[in-house]
Formats: sequence, structure tokens, C-alpha cells
Amino acid sequence: DIVMTQSPLSLPVTPGEPASISCRSSQSLLHSNRYNCLNWYLQKPGQSPQLLIYLGSSRASGVPDRFSGSGSGTDFTLKISRVEAEDVGVYYCMQGLQTPITFGQGTRLEIK
Amino acid sequence: EVQLVESGGGLVQPGGSLRLSCAASGFTFSSYWMTWVRQAPGKGLEWVANIKQAGSEKYYVDSVKGRFTISRDDAKYSLYLQMNSLRAEDTAVYYCARAVQWAFDPWGQGTLVTVSS
Repeated sequence: DIVMTQSPLSLPVTPGEPASISCRSSQSLLHSNRYNCLNWYLQKPGQSPQLLIYLGSSRASGVPDRFSGSGSGTDFTLKISRVEAEDVGVYYCMQGLQTPITFGQGTRLEIK
Repeated sequence: EVQLVESGGGLVQPGGSLRLSCAASGFTFSSYWMTWVRQAPGKGLEWVANIKQAGSEKYYVDSVKGRFTISRDDAKYSLYLQMNSLRAEDTAVYYCARAVQWAFDPWGQGTLVTVSS
């Protein structure tokens, strides 16, 4: 199974400041189609998870451009250029390359 | 608008059975892989099962193999999860989601399954 490891697990951020979350996989997530099968989700308090980033760096529909994804192979990063109050919640990375599909432990972003 | 609505959750005794349903709308259901993901209380996300278009392929996490069965009825725009031999550790909110580009989008609101005597 592919193990997904996120850091940090807790992230206090001042509004307007940037934030960054790391996700590492135990195996390369590079598909034969040259895309990385790595996704980022945000689960806001009391809500279902919502897709932010797919294929490593593509923003999902309706996601603000302050969110960006980067990385390849086994090392990936989610960046928020300027954190807003509505960004609080738990961020998960997920690999969709092979079953069992696996998620990172989650990173809880809170506002200072 | 693409929408997924789960139902069928509830309280069940250990060893019991439950069938979850997911009603889809706003997209051509038969064209997509579908998935179930669960979240135990206060815990992270765990993928449970996937099903390909027309039900031609199915995959499960090891912990539910032989106990859970994923299925779909494309004519009814519905996804199902038959859960047998339920255990306390199956207690979770169960989400259905559409699979697109190796990602899950959107997710339903979830249905809570509680396994307890």
C-alpha cells in the first residue's frame, strides 16, 4: 500500500499570511500518462470534503487562485498565498494511482 | 448541478447488516467510476470501495473484503454499499463520491453508521 505522510499536522496561520502543507508518498505517484495522481481536499468544519487540487497542480472548478499545488513523484506541496478565515479546516492529500487509495493523516489549519 | 445524496445509515448491532444508497443527479451517472469513503468519528478519511462503469470492476480496502459489496444501478442513477457482518470499527460517516481524473468530486453529505449493542 502507498503510505501518504503530511506535515505539519497542525498549522496556525495569521490571516493574510501564506501557508504551506507538505505531502510525501512512499511510492512515486507519476502515472504512465505523465500526470501525478495526487489530490488535495479541504474538509471545513461540519462539512463533507471538497476537492481543491487534482493531478498534483490543477485547481478544481470554483477554487480560488490563492490555492496552488506543486510537486512530482513522491513530494508534493499545497500552498495558500494569503490565508483567509474561510480556509479553516482539515486538509488531506490523497493518492489515486492505485488501490487501495490512501489519504494522508490530515493537516488542521486554524486562524491565529 | 451535480449532486450526491446518501441514505440508509443508522444504528445496527455487531454482526448485523445495512445497505447504504447514494442517489446521483446532474451528470451522466453511467459514465463514471463511483466510490465510497468513510470517516470514523474524529478520525481521517478512509477509502472503502470503487466500482467501474457498468460494474465491470470492483475494488475494496482489505478490512471490508468479503463483508461489503459495492454495486450500482445505472438506470436508477444509484450507488449502493451492502454491509454485512458489521463490526464496531465500521462505525463512521460514509460518503459516496464521483471519481474524476483519479480524484473524487463531488462528495455527498454522508450518512452515519453506528455499530453498537
